[in-house]
Amino acid sequence: EDQVTQSPEALRLQEGESSSLNCSYTVSGLRGLFWYRQDPGKGPEFLFTLYSAGEEKEKERLKATLTKKESFLHITAPKPEDSATYLCAVQAGSNDMRFGAGTRLTVKP
Amino acid sequence: KAGVTQTPRYLIKTRGQQVTLSCSPISGHRSVSWYQQTPGQGLQFLFEYFSETQRNKGNFPGRFSGRQFSNSRSEMNVSTLELGDSALYLCASSTSTDTQYFGPGTRLTVL
Repeated sequence: EDQVTQSPEALRLQEGESSSLNCSYTVSGLRGLFWYRQDPGKGPEFLFTLYSAGEEKEKERLKATLTKKESFLHITAPKPEDSATYLCAVQAGSNDMRFGAGTRLTVKP
Repeated sequence: KAGVTQTPRYLIKTRGQQVTLSCSPISGHRSVSWYQQTPGQGLQFLFEYFSETQRNKGNFPGRFSGRQFSNSRSEMNVSTLELGDSALYLCASSTSTDTQYFGPGTRLTVL
């Protein structure tokens, strides 16, 4: 069965303190791995799609990477406005996405 | 381009009632997926519609149903509401089989 595991569950950083979030997955025939950001009470906001091992994508302070078993979301010099829950999802044979439980990130000024 | 819109944003119902939620996808998107999000279970896939046909279905009871209209707008219906149906219901649209873009969600509370 397809599985997505995110770690850590929660992460507290000081402003400017870089770190990485992990998403490990077990799927047959990965079609895509997705990263979303979700603020409380809102819908997930799309960040990145990764399709194959070795692929990397960047957007402002965020960089997503993909290997055959996991993906990392690197956050460089985070700011308080980066505080949110970051969700990872995988898409395999069908079009539905299986989501991880998320990492709740708090960035203190 | 306007994003995915969902109505209503908030809803309070009592056990045994039924509810209908609406989703308007991004213009040009023909696929609409529905998800349930709860603190305990996270985001779980309900079903997906493409060109008015249900293309995929998650592991939810038959009380949960949906449909899609010719303009790609979609509705989701939950009958005989239970307390455990309280959740944020999210709709996501895509062109076909790629990145899904989410709406703001409908917060359903069942009393």
